[in-house]
Amino acid sequence: AQSVSQHNHHVILSEAASLELGCNYSYGGTVNLFWYVQYPGQHLQLLLKYFSGDPLVKGIKGFEAEFIKSKFSFNLRKPSVQWSDTAEYFCAVIPTNTGKLIFGQGTTLQVKP
Amino acid sequence: DAGVIQSPRHEVTEMGQEVTLRCKPISGHNSLFWYRQTMMRGLELLIYFNNNVPIDDSGMPEDRFSAKMPNASFSTLKIQPSEPRDSAVYFCASSRGPDSNQPQHFGDGTRLSIL
Repeated sequence: AQSVSQHNHHVILSEAASLELGCNYSYGGTVNLFWYVQYPGQHLQLLLKYFSGDPLVKGIKGFEAEFIKSKFSFNLRKPSVQWSDTAEYFCAVIPTNTGKLIFGQGTTLQVKP
Repeated sequence: DAGVIQSPRHEVTEMGQEVTLRCKPISGHNSLFWYRQTMMRGLELLIYFNNNVPIDDSGMPEDRFSAKMPNASFSTLKIQPSEPRDSAVYFCASSRGPDSNQPQHFGDGTRLSIL
């Protein structure tokens, strides 16, 4: 079955620390990839997406993600986190032959001021 | 532009009661999705519509759940009868189309508590 796995369930960082959240998916075909963020009490918002082209994509708020096809991975990175980045982050995949968005379990990021 | 609008934001009701959740997608979006979010199972797709037609309802947990989209600007998710295990946050999302390269835009969700 198709699935998305996020390695870290809960990450705690101090401000200015670097962030990397892991995401792997299990599907052998073509996929489109997304990272969503959910701030406390709010709805999911799109951070960035990858469809094709340069595997290093840049999103909003200084986030970026790298698609490594050989590793089935799409890790999210930010060089220097801020307290306002405290949120839950979801990796999501759409296999192009199904069109169904499959979410990972989410990673809760807590940034200490 | 207005985003996806869901109502109510919060619903608390006793088990056995009928619950109706409502969603207004973004104008011009042809695809609408209902998700459920719980601590145990994360975000699950329940059903999605394209051009008001249900395309895939394989995620609907039981016959107690039903969803309709009578027109392009309105959808409902109904639970009858409700049970405590239905307690979750229910999100509605919409996109311009069913293609996999169309990002989905989410509403604020309905936090449902069944006592």
